Amino acid sequence: AAGVIQSPRHLIKEKRETATLKCYPIPRHDTVYWYQQGPGQDPQFLISFYEKMQSDKGSIPDRFSAQQFSDYHSELNMSSLELGDSALYFCASSLGTSNEQYFGPGTRLTVT
Amino acid sequence: AQSVTQPDIHITVSEGASLELRCNYSYGATPYLFWYVQSPGQGLQLLLKYFSGDTLVQGIKGFEAEFKRSQSSFNLRKPSVHWSDAAEYFCAVGALSSSNTGKLIFGQGTTLQVKP
Repeated sequence: AAGVIQSPRHLIKEKRETATLKCYPIPRHDTVYWYQQGPGQDPQFLISFYEKMQSDKGSIPDRFSAQQFSDYHSELNMSSLELGDSALYFCASSLGTSNEQYFGPGTRLTVT
Repeated sequence: AQSVTQPDIHITVSEGASLELRCNYSYGATPYLFWYVQSPGQGLQLLLKYFSGDTLVQGIKGFEAEFKRSQSSFNLRKPSVHWSDAAEYFCAVGALSSSNTGKLIFGQGTTLQVKP
């Protein structure tokens, strides 16, 4: 069965650079969630989209923005990167906001 | 505010022994409850979920969990642990309410180590 696809899987950036993370949900899933997991931490909710509209927002810095496109894939844009942004970024998708979320493998972002 | 607490940061059990990982939640509405497992450097795999109905839910890999509303708990159990079960386990809560947006609140995680 198709799963959530995230790209790239690994990304190394320098401070003050920008990064774009992509998420391709499971086919027919219309809801996408982004989570950030710092080293040794639990995943923290960043932002979500339902039917291409932002549905909820968590502890996402103003330097970050995201959107969901017409094909339901989503991109998380991160600017002015800081060392503290180094983390594993997960995307999850679901059919509606039913809470049964399927997680992608994550993108490991390292900021040097 | 909603929250999830996993009291045990680290647990070590012998292979073949039984396992119980604790999870307590705080949420005003009816919760959806989940257990996820994460191997090092890997993504989150759903073990089981509780939405409603039978309070004892069966999951993959021989895991089960019991929802106890009176104790606000959703503990994960396995009768006989295998070495491959060594991983990080996260309990999570979602919301069932008119403002449900689907986001999950995770506990701090419990690291399971399995001794041969």
